[in-house]
Amino acid sequence: QSALTQPASVSGSPGQSITISCTGTSSDVGGYNYVSWYQQRPGKAPKLMIYDVSKRPSGVSNRFSGSKSGNTASLTISGLQAEDEADYYCSSHRGSSTLVFGGGTKLTVL
Amino acid sequence: QLQLQESGPGLVKPSETLSLTCTVSGGSISSSSYCWGWIRQPPGKGLEWIGSIYSTGSTFYNPSLKSRVTISVDTSKNQFSLNLSSVTAADTALYYCARHVWSGTSWFDPWGQGILVTVSS
Repeated sequence: QSALTQPASVSGSPGQSITISCTGTSSDVGGYNYVSWYQQRPGKAPKLMIYDVSKRPSGVSNRFSGSKSGNTASLTISGLQAEDEADYYCSSHRGSSTLVFGGGTKLTVL
Repeated sequence: QLQLQESGPGLVKPSETLSLTCTVSGGSISSSSYCWGWIRQPPGKGLEWIGSIYSTGSTFYNPSLKSRVTISVDTSKNQFSLNLSSVTAADTALYYCARHVWSGTSWFDPWGQGILVTVSS
């Protein structure tokens, strides 16, 4: 099954804000508010950062926020810090009891 | 604090079956509120959902892998397992297990540390 579409890479300077997009279809991102985002630092397991499009788990900085418009979800990181440098993946429920991940986005903090 | 740990062989021969186990500690695998999932990541590539299972035994698989995947659960051992048959080099990946909350929502947390499985003769 086809993955959700994310930009391969994004970059920003410390203190700036960046946004990572995640584009799907009406069968996944557009059809359900079940989009989640994961941060994966090198050599580490993914960590849940956002679920249900815009909810933050306990312990996740409020610099991380999520939104959705139509078939595209977005993750915004404000006040960029060096520690935010990582790979980020989106995921969405897809009809027929399946789910799909995005291809991943490498965030570089300049 | 819920923790998950993958275990199994790190090397599997082509055409054979890859078998991994995930042990859950700090909580019961029998909770009806969650299911339990397997996700993999080929070296240098992105994440791919393999499938998920409820403690009742109900399973859900990635359609692209469904013909080769079996996920099972052993509530007495607080474990769930992955079998992937007829493996090829394309199945070489870091395999993660995770708690999957999938009722009126869908997210994975926490994740195990992952286990690298290489398919090679």
